[in-house]
Amino acid sequence: DSGVTQTPKHLITATGQRVTLRCSPRSGDLSVYWYQQSLDQGLQFLIQYYNGEERAKGNILERFSAQQFPDLHSELNLSSLELGDSALYFCASSGLAGGGDTQYFGPGTRLTVL
Amino acid sequence: SQKIEQNSEALNIQEGKTATLTCNYTNYSPAYLQWYRQDPGRGPVFLLLIRENEKEKRKERLKVTFDTTLKQSLFHITASQPADSATYLCALGGGYQKVTFGTGTKLQVIP
Repeated sequence: DSGVTQTPKHLITATGQRVTLRCSPRSGDLSVYWYQQSLDQGLQFLIQYYNGEERAKGNILERFSAQQFPDLHSELNLSSLELGDSALYFCASSGLAGGGDTQYFGPGTRLTVL
Repeated sequence: SQKIEQNSEALNIQEGKTATLTCNYTNYSPAYLQWYRQDPGRGPVFLLLIRENEKEKRKERLKVTFDTTLKQSLFHITASQPADSATYLCALGGGYQKVTFGTGTKLQVIP
């Protein structure tokens, strides 16, 4: 158990809808990262927050947004969903703002868009 | 642009042998490199980190080398076991750069 929790575990929704994925980092970790992993695809970095502030941005679509709250949990909002958004979404946390730090991954949320 | 290459083909190896996985990168000067293990449907799990000034690192049956001249890291699992079967990801980063993951190599250890 990495100490990172993600809810929900599974999510099935329809195209055009909006969903929110939630992540609670390990106790004491200030950085939260979001990744998307499609079938047979590598981990695609979406965005990183550090202590409530956006730290780095990857290939995140404009339809997606995220935030980190004062209690350090984070939410990833996906809107106007398309079939291609079906994927595993992972959240990871670490103690530092930048590199050289281990990332601890949550169990993921499996999103299915029908 | 930065590119990380891992052998996309699965690596099949006999139990007890040493498995060697490769991670090559271009257009990148990472300060460190990490290896993670990922089982199907689960989040990656950190295994080892090696910094640019380190040539080799070991942890139990695992060994990682880092050659910044060749822009390559090798990941070895000695005395491999069927339980080692998984996908192994390399990840590069440095300073305040975001960590970039390779697509991973699937290892199958055959009893």
